[in-house]
Amino acid sequence: TQLLEQSPQFLSIQEGENLTVYCNSSSVFSSLQWYRQEPGEGPVLLVTVVTGGEVKKLKRLTFQFGDARKDSSLHITAAQTGDTGLYLCAGNTGYSTLTFGKGTMLLVSP
Amino acid sequence: NAGVTQTPKFRILKIGQSMTLQCTQDMNHNYMYWYRQDPGMGLKLIYYSVGAGITDKGEVPNGYNVSRSTTEDFPLRLELAAPSQTSVYFCASSYRDRVSYNEQFFGPGTRLTVL
Repeated sequence: TQLLEQSPQFLSIQEGENLTVYCNSSSVFSSLQWYRQEPGEGPVLLVTVVTGGEVKKLKRLTFQFGDARKDSSLHITAAQTGDTGLYLCAGNTGYSTLTFGKGTMLLVSP
Repeated sequence: NAGVTQTPKFRILKIGQSMTLQCTQDMNHNYMYWYRQDPGMGLKLIYYSVGAGITDKGEVPNGYNVSRSTTEDFPLRLELAAPSQTSVYFCASSYRDRVSYNEQFFGPGTRLTVL
């Protein structure tokens, strides 16, 4: 069974601060996805990382895939209240299903 | 495109009642999934389907049934509702081929309470 551990579980920060959340596993994934889920809604895909060592930027969000393709991080620069939500990582082993982490709940206060 | 739609948005059931959660996608995706999400527990896979007529169990299938008679629809059936089935249910779909990454599109969810 592949497990994805996300940390921290909960993060509360002020607007303008920087933060990093982590997604770790002992398993190798062919690709890894990050989703954001706002309260009362379904998860929405933010990015897919595929190559070990890959870095992708989406405006203020920077995603990194570990060299060994077992871990990933999400860094947010100058957080805004609109970044509030549950951040989920999901690993793809190439089979029919994804392995989801339990998520990091981010609260950005004005 | 509406994407993935789910009905109803909210439902309260009594113990022992049955109901069907509806899910429809208009993106011609071949793969569809049902998840449940409990507070602090992330997403747990209930059932999935790789195409019309083909379904398979996920991590937590007990107490649920599914069918996939068309590409678009993937209903989830609860036969004898129990309090342990109180949760938020999400349907998702994706297009899979040899080179895709199983990027999933989710519906807005159904919040179910069993009393």
